[in-house]
Amino acid sequence: GAVVSQHPSWVICKSGTSVKIECRSLDFQATTMFWYRQFPKQSLMLMATSNEGSKATYEQGVEKDKFLINHASLTLSTLTVTSAHPEDSSFYICSARDIGRGEHYGYTFGSGTRLTVV
Amino acid sequence: AQRVTQPEKLLSVFKGAPVELKCNYSYSGSPELFWYVQYSRQRLQLLLRHISRESIKGFTADLNKGETSFHLKKPFAQEEDSAMYYCALKKGSARQLTFGSGTQLTVLP
Repeated sequence: GAVVSQHPSWVICKSGTSVKIECRSLDFQATTMFWYRQFPKQSLMLMATSNEGSKATYEQGVEKDKFLINHASLTLSTLTVTSAHPEDSSFYICSARDIGRGEHYGYTFGSGTRLTVV
Repeated sequence: AQRVTQPEKLLSVFKGAPVELKCNYSYSGSPELFWYVQYSRQRLQLLLRHISRESIKGFTADLNKGETSFHLKKPFAQEEDSAMYYCALKKGSARQLTFGSGTQLTVLP
């Protein structure tokens, strides 16, 4: 149980284009999902907290207009990297927690999306 | 602000040897602490959490509030334990996790 599906696994796009990454909770409802960015051999850095039916909460230094987050349903959050540039190339990971399993249950992570902007 | 420190970026031990991955945190309140593991080409997955005081795959971790540590230990390392290990903290009522920088564990044959 508590599976998070993330698509695509990898994507290559041209500079200036936009890319959408989907994060779905398959067997539970997630009112909150989290988007992380991971650089090679570095830790996960929280980018934003996605809230179902309301605006996302962005961490300091993360551009809201560049990383658009939409959480329109209890099982789907999307991250759109707009006008992508090579420096946006990274590994993006989403995460959610199944509250139904208990307050102290851990978080479930997607398999990540490798974005390469050329 | 809360902070999680994993001082060792790389750690190598021989199979059958004990292993300890260090994690220290800074947070003035009562934190929830987790260890996550990422095997090669796999997603991050929960290994254990301090609140449950469990042992998973032979690993244990005890929260030491005096030393603000949550070190991960296993008495006899196995080759399949080779992976990236992340310590993470959740503060109070916050929903998000703060991760340490991770420790790459390699268990040598």
